[in-house]
Amino acid sequence: QQQVKQSPQSLIVQKGGISIINCAYENTAFDYFPWYQQFPGKGPALLIAIRPDVSEKKEGRFTISFNKSAKQFSLHIMDSQPGDSATYFCAAKRAGGFKTIFGAGTRLFVKA
Amino acid sequence: ETGVTQSPTHLIKTRGQQVTLRCSSQSGHNTVSWYQQALGQGPQFIFQYYREEENGRGNFPPRFSGLQFPNYSSELNVNALELDDSALYLCASSLDRGGDSPLHFGNGTRLTVT
Repeated sequence: QQQVKQSPQSLIVQKGGISIINCAYENTAFDYFPWYQQFPGKGPALLIAIRPDVSEKKEGRFTISFNKSAKQFSLHIMDSQPGDSATYFCAAKRAGGFKTIFGAGTRLFVKA
Repeated sequence: ETGVTQSPTHLIKTRGQQVTLRCSSQSGHNTVSWYQQALGQGPQFIFQYYREEENGRGNFPPRFSGLQFPNYSSELNVNALELDDSALYLCASSLDRGGDSPLHFGNGTRLTVT
């Protein structure tokens, strides 16, 4: 059962452009929504995370937008750089839960 | 502080064999989770260990088992290997088992079953 749906599957953006990745979830008990970045040959690494009591969180060029009523959240990468080329996973976790549920991933390629 | 380390990095096994994967957690972390990542997919939760006890399990058969040791390092054992077990196996440690403790992943063990 896919509890976190992620789109698009792949994304090509010009250097300096905005990359947008969208996710939707089903379980309203989720209360922690992290994004992970994975480079080839490496494990995923936490990029940024949000809780549903805020609608937006920004860290440098990375912003999460959260819409609790629609059960959707998105990652925006401003001024995208070739070094941002990686696979991005949205994820969700329930309060007091032991597992993090991951989306299927988005492969981002930033053209120089 | 040292990060999460996994061994071996690559492994080739034959269907029906057994395999043991190892993980050293990040310093100060008492919780270890194991994930299976098939090619082109997101990580799928296998199980979590907290202070040497299994704390939760995903939708994986009993032939997937694990251990956590007093130093919080961990092993993943898979018996009776099947072709579909071919994947990247990721170990992640965290400061605690619940809440919003972020996962710190190792670089994984690439298992190929032939």
